[in-house]
Amino acid sequence: KAGVTQTPRYLIKTRGQQVTLSCSPISGHRSVSWYQQTPGQGLQFLFEYFSETQRNKGNFPGRFSGRQFSNSRSEMNVSTLELGDSALYLCASSLEDSGYNEQFFGPGTRLTVL
Amino acid sequence: QKEVEQNSGPLSVPEGAIASLNCTYSDRGSQSFFWYRQYSGKSPELIMFIYSNGDKEDGRFTAQLNKASQYVSLLIRDSQPSDSATYLCAVNGNNDMRFGAGTRLTVKP
Repeated sequence: KAGVTQTPRYLIKTRGQQVTLSCSPISGHRSVSWYQQTPGQGLQFLFEYFSETQRNKGNFPGRFSGRQFSNSRSEMNVSTLELGDSALYLCASSLEDSGYNEQFFGPGTRLTVL
Repeated sequence: QKEVEQNSGPLSVPEGAIASLNCTYSDRGSQSFFWYRQYSGKSPELIMFIYSNGDKEDGRFTAQLNKASQYVSLLIRDSQPSDSATYLCAVNGNNDMRFGAGTRLTVKP
């Protein structure tokens, strides 16, 4: 079974631009979560989508948004990029709506904002 | 107080020794607990999960959970140089996952 895939793997943008990242979950997984990882802050939860609905949201500004499609693929958008948005963005998928939530991570998208 | 706390390390053990990684969490309502391994430049990889108090063994790995003490640990027996990585503790509560900052483990040959 194929794992979680993320595209693109690397991205360079300039301040003020916007960016869209894509995540395809493991086949059959309906929940997709997004995380930002930086050396200083570690792994921080952005949001989770289940059945095309945002179920949870972390403490990030409204410039960070996402959506999920009927095939469970998810996209994340960051508008008006700032230097501090440079990070590894990880998506993780899990099988179903449960409190147990075993998540499997994709390889990540490395975003650099200049 | 951080929601999930881990000793940042680095933790260094000789090859063949037992590595002990610890994690405490603040949310008593947390339901599930995970250990991820992350090699430098790679994404986290799930290695163990535990839901009930007590021990859970999987090969060389043993996860221990004590909900009363809000404590979860990971033991790695017969540590190998290939176990050298950052180990992330993650706690699930209210359907969102909270990660610790990670403990960097080095296994010396």
